[in-house]
Amino acid sequence: GAVVSQHPSWVICKSGTSVKIECRSLDFQATTMFWYRQFPKQSLMLMATSNEGSKATYEQGVEKDKFLINHASLTLSTLTVTSAHPEDSSFYICSARPSGRDTGELFFGEGSRLTVL
Amino acid sequence: GQNIDQPTEMTATEGAIVQINCTYQTSGFNGLFWYQQHAGEAPTFLSYNVLDGLEEKGRFSSFLSRSKGYSYLLLKELQMKDSASYLCAAVDSNYQLIWGAGTKLIIKP
Repeated sequence: GAVVSQHPSWVICKSGTSVKIECRSLDFQATTMFWYRQFPKQSLMLMATSNEGSKATYEQGVEKDKFLINHASLTLSTLTVTSAHPEDSSFYICSARPSGRDTGELFFGEGSRLTVL
Repeated sequence: GQNIDQPTEMTATEGAIVQINCTYQTSGFNGLFWYQQHAGEAPTFLSYNVLDGLEEKGRFSSFLSRSKGYSYLLLKELQMKDSASYLCAAVDSNYQLIWGAGTKLIIKP
């Protein structure tokens, strides 16, 4: 149990276009999901906390108008990178916390590698 | 402020034992996680400690001392596939994860 599916795994897009990444909890409900970005040879950097039915909370330095997060249901959160540029090329990972669990354990998606040409 | 410290890189020999240390300072504490991450892949869960002591799980063990703000991950009988980054993350009073920068473990034959 506790599977998180992330789609797409790989995406290549042209500069200036927008890309949407989906994060789904397949067998549990997640009130809270997290979006991370990881540049090569660096650790995970939390971008934002996504809460079902409310606005996402963004970390300092993350542009909320550029990285649009929607958490419309208890099993789906989406991250849209708007007007992508080459510097946005990165590995984007989502994680989800099962609702009602106190431990804070997170389950991670497989990650989405974005390459902006 | 909140802070997690772990070594940047460690090298060990196949078949040996290695201990990766992690110290933390957080606003409140609700446990500590260890994750393994191979290059280009998402992290995978290794262990969770909330009480003092050693938790053993096969070749991997994790230790926690809450009074010292200290944890370690112990890997025994190292295999080449254990070459990865190991991430330490503490859970604060708001149940948010505070991440360390990760320790890159290099296994040599």
